[in-house]
Amino acid sequence: EPEVTQTPSHQVTQMGQEVILRCVPISNHLYFYWYRQILGQKVEFLVSFYNNEISEKSEIFDDQFSVERPDGSNFTLKIRSTKLEDSAMYFCASRLRGGDTEAFFGQGTRLTVV
Amino acid sequence: GQQVMQIPQYQHVQEGEDFTTYCNSSTTLSNIQWYKQRPGGHPVFLIQLVKSGEVKKQKRLTFQFGEAKKNSSLHITATQTTDVGTYFCAVGSGNTPLVFGKGTRLSVIA
Repeated sequence: EPEVTQTPSHQVTQMGQEVILRCVPISNHLYFYWYRQILGQKVEFLVSFYNNEISEKSEIFDDQFSVERPDGSNFTLKIRSTKLEDSAMYFCASRLRGGDTEAFFGQGTRLTVV
Repeated sequence: GQQVMQIPQYQHVQEGEDFTTYCNSSTTLSNIQWYKQRPGGHPVFLIQLVKSGEVKKQKRLTFQFGEAKKNSSLHITATQTTDVGTYFCAVGSGNTPLVFGKGTRLSVIA
């Protein structure tokens, strides 16, 4: 069964450093997302990406964040100048199309900022 | 964007008891999805409801969509320890991203 893969599974970084979280969405899917989940809390939407550009972003997704689809398969989330409060699980998800299709989530990257 | 309120936040049940979680929206929804997240895991799609008054069943799980398409519920009959996890409702339509409720964390005491 096709799946969304994320690397690394766990990333520890020093405060102020930049991190890149990587995702390989399901190959024929058109919509890609990043979500964040602080431990024990809800799954929060960060950004959606369609047709090689950001289609929507939340208030959380400020200038500290950026996304890229550098080639036909990878989808990355870059976090610049990390802060302690960026520590969370980051999930990548993809959907075949919008609207009425299910989202497939990767296993997540646990980011720990120290 | 669309928002959904989900209650309760936590539910502790004895194995064999029933469990229900509710999602409510102030606006009419085009559809609603339900996801389950096991402890330490990622959200996994369970089902989507589209039609007014729709009821769908998956074994011991029953999903309902309200007549006005503003609320939904997930009911589990005779819970088992394998049902442990957080259940989220999620809404989104067209090109808008899925927005998740806060989730209901279910604990099952054997």
